[in-house]
Formats: sequence, structure tokens, C-alpha cells
Amino acid sequence: EAGVAQSPRYKIIEKRQSVAFWCNPISGHATLYWYQQILGQGPKLLIQFQNNGVVDDSQLPKDRFSAERLKGVDSTLKIQPAKLEDSAVYLCASSLVDRGASEQYFGPGTRLTVT
Amino acid sequence: GNSVTQMEGPVTLSEEAFLTINCTYTATGYPSLFWYVQYPGEGLQLLLKATKADDKGSNKGFEATYRKETTSFHLEKGSVQVSDSAVYFCALSDVIKAAGNKLTFGGGTRVLVKP
Repeated sequence: EAGVAQSPRYKIIEKRQSVAFWCNPISGHATLYWYQQILGQGPKLLIQFQNNGVVDDSQLPKDRFSAERLKGVDSTLKIQPAKLEDSAVYLCASSLVDRGASEQYFGPGTRLTVT
Repeated sequence: GNSVTQMEGPVTLSEEAFLTINCTYTATGYPSLFWYVQYPGEGLQLLLKATKADDKGSNKGFEATYRKETTSFHLEKGSVQVSDSAVYFCALSDVIKAAGNKLTFGGGTRVLVKP
């Protein structure tokens, strides 16, 4: 079974530029998550989708971050404009069902450096 | 709000030594508790979990017991190997939260096992 795919793996941009990340979850997984992991910290949830609807985006900086999950499968996360403090690894995860003890499967992440 | 606190690393051990990583949590409701591991160059993967008080999760020689009275979920392994070198994350998921399976992570503990 293929895992969660993410691209690109690495991205370097200048501040005020825009960037987009792509995620393809495990086939059949209804729930998709985007996390931000700043160096030396644990991942922090940015947004959670159930199929193509948003379940939780309370920690998404909506003035610059946006995400969508068209057709309830792939998802994109966009930052526009980027700031220096956005430098982090962006992790995508998916789970089969939206229950408290469901295992989340993580992709390899996209490492973003903003200069 | 929910939070997870785990001991800071790095933790450096010799092969076959005993490993303990402390984790305590603060949560509303009845959380499920998890340990995730991130091996060098790889994505986060679930190591073990426990869904209710006094449950013991175990996998690959690692164990952790859900202690509600001390709000703890310490990770232990009796004899570590070089291949256990990784970053370990403690996390919780509040199963009652209406928004679903949101994971709250600790800051991670880097473990280095020397031959």
C-alpha cells in the first residue's frame, strides 16, 4: 500500500513570495491533516479535512495560509506572502476514520526555508 | 487547552541500556495517548498507543502505560539498540472533542544509542 505522498520535498523562497505544497493521502482515507513542525518542536495542526470539508482550521493563519481539498482526495496548502517565521517542515497526514484513536499516517514532509 | 510535556533531549545511551522518556499531559475529556517515532530521514510513524486509563501500549520492545492519576504516559524499553536512535514524540487526542482526531504533540526527545 502506498503511503502519504508529498511534494516538493524541499523549497527555498524569499520572504513575501508565495509557495504551494501538495499532498496525496492514502487511498480511501477520508480525513486529511496539515501540520507545521518548526525545528526543535512537535508538529502543530494547521487544518483538518473530512472528505472535502474543513473540520478544524482554528490554528491556520488565515491572512496568509490557505488550503483546499478538492474532490476529497488530494490537498494543497498555500502560503502567500511567506514570512521568515514560516520556515518549517509541513507535514501531511491521513487517517481512515475520524475517531480519537485512529492512527494517522504521515508523509515525509516538505521542508520550507524562507530567506 | 490540551498540552503535552516531555523530557528534553538529547538522551545518549549505550547499546543494551534501559531507556525511559517521561511524558505528562493536560487535557479535558478522556484523551487517547500515543508515542510517535521519527527515524533519521523518515516520516513520523506510530509506535504505540493507549486509549483508556491503565491500558498498556507496546510495540518493538517499547512499552507505555496510561496513568490517569499522574497524567503520564512514560515510554520505556529494557534494552535499546543502535537502530532505536530517533526522535520520539508523545501525543494526545481528545476523543470527545467535536472537531475530531486532533493530535497535540510534545516537543520531541532525541535519542542517540551508541554501540
